[in-house]
Amino acid sequence: DADVTQTPRNRITKTGKRIMLECSQTKGHDRMYWYRQDPGLGLRLIYYSFDVKDINKGEISDGYSVSRQAQAKFSLSLESAIPNQTALYFCATRGSTNEKLFFGSGTQLSVL
Amino acid sequence: QQQVKQSPQSLIVQKGGISIINCAYENTAFDYFPWYQQFPGKGPALLIAIRPDVSEKKEGRFTISFNKSAKQFSLHIMDSQPGDSATYFCAASVEGSGDKLTFGTGTRLAVRP
Repeated sequence: DADVTQTPRNRITKTGKRIMLECSQTKGHDRMYWYRQDPGLGLRLIYYSFDVKDINKGEISDGYSVSRQAQAKFSLSLESAIPNQTALYFCATRGSTNEKLFFGSGTQLSVL
Repeated sequence: QQQVKQSPQSLIVQKGGISIINCAYENTAFDYFPWYQQFPGKGPALLIAIRPDVSEKKEGRFTISFNKSAKQFSLHIMDSQPGDSATYFCAASVEGSGDKLTFGTGTRLAVRP
């Protein structure tokens, strides 16, 4: 089983719909991140969390919200999806003593 | 504002050749420089990383060269193999800043048999 699991793997939705992407991890890490990947733009940080009570905005948080339901779960929501949020979304985790990020396999989101 | 500039965008190398990917950064406070490798359908995975107290780090066929004065670092893949075909991202971060990695735009490497 994957250490960092993202669901769903693919999602097609319509403009204006609310959607949630979920991430769970079995690595026991405190720190969790949501990144967005676009062709030619690399990965950009949306939100990150150091523990259940600590949520921080990243580089491109507008239009997104997150919830850290438990140490192992970190979900990303698009309250009202728009076409330019079409992208590949990655959840990642890391421990507090090691800089190495562990990524999930990604969620491909298409907003029509 | 792109704080880490990566080039080239794509690269084709013959099997056995040397692949070189370059990155330049602006923020002199960056003190951690990893490279991530991403295969199609997968998330990025850490390949190798360096801190600015050394100018070079080698792990197998992969080497990072670091030039602090020029604010540049590069990934060298020696004896490139078709299995190295992937997208490579450089990144940088400042320790204690929230551990936020700033990624480059990626280089798609294709190694021809």
